[in-house]
Amino acid sequence: NAGVTQTPKFRVLKTGQSMTLLCAQDMNHEYMYWYRQDPGMGLRLIHYSVGEGTTAKGEVPDGYNVSRLKKQNFLLGLESAAPSQTSVYFCAIQRGGNNEQFFGPGTRLTVL
Amino acid sequence: GNSVTQMEGPVTLSEEAFLTINCTYTATGYPSLFWYVQYPGEGLQLLLKATKADDKGSNKGFEATYRKETTSFHLEKGSVQVSDSAVYFCALTLDSWGKLQFGAGTQVVVTP
Repeated sequence: NAGVTQTPKFRVLKTGQSMTLLCAQDMNHEYMYWYRQDPGMGLRLIHYSVGEGTTAKGEVPDGYNVSRLKKQNFLLGLESAAPSQTSVYFCAIQRGGNNEQFFGPGTRLTVL
Repeated sequence: GNSVTQMEGPVTLSEEAFLTINCTYTATGYPSLFWYVQYPGEGLQLLLKATKADDKGSNKGFEATYRKETTSFHLEKGSVQVSDSAVYFCALTLDSWGKLQFGAGTQVVVTP
């Protein structure tokens, strides 16, 4: 997975609880992304970052926050989880300017 | 807006059969096009890409040609193996930040 790790692998939350998903890379890549994968909908971009200290909204940012305090880490936060956020979350990194993204193994989140 | 449409699955084939997965897109501008593959329980992997009209991407026996006139990027493989069983995603990007727009995915099942 091109040196992309995600923590945790699985998590079950109750509605209203909060949590943070961690994406870490052992490469020195500038661009990092968070996607969610839902059946029949492919992957949708939540937030992305083009460098340390920068973040930007993607297609479905509502209910999520992100931070990129260190170049190697990209955190995705859910402040008050909702059942609609039940999904599989993937982090990706991009090497250089060729638009080729490499994905982590995913985090499966269930919100009850 | 921009979008990617893929044929619905599952597509079930016998080993050594010919595989085609249709992908068409709508985009304002000239996107780069990608095929990603997701094996069970894993993240996505880049399979091939094309960045301009008439480009052909190829990898591991798979091919796809960027057809601007029909706004298509169909994936083909001449002789599939059981190990090709996976979900295949067509995607596009229009900017240098690499924000990917995915199709819904097509599951392919290859039987011995």
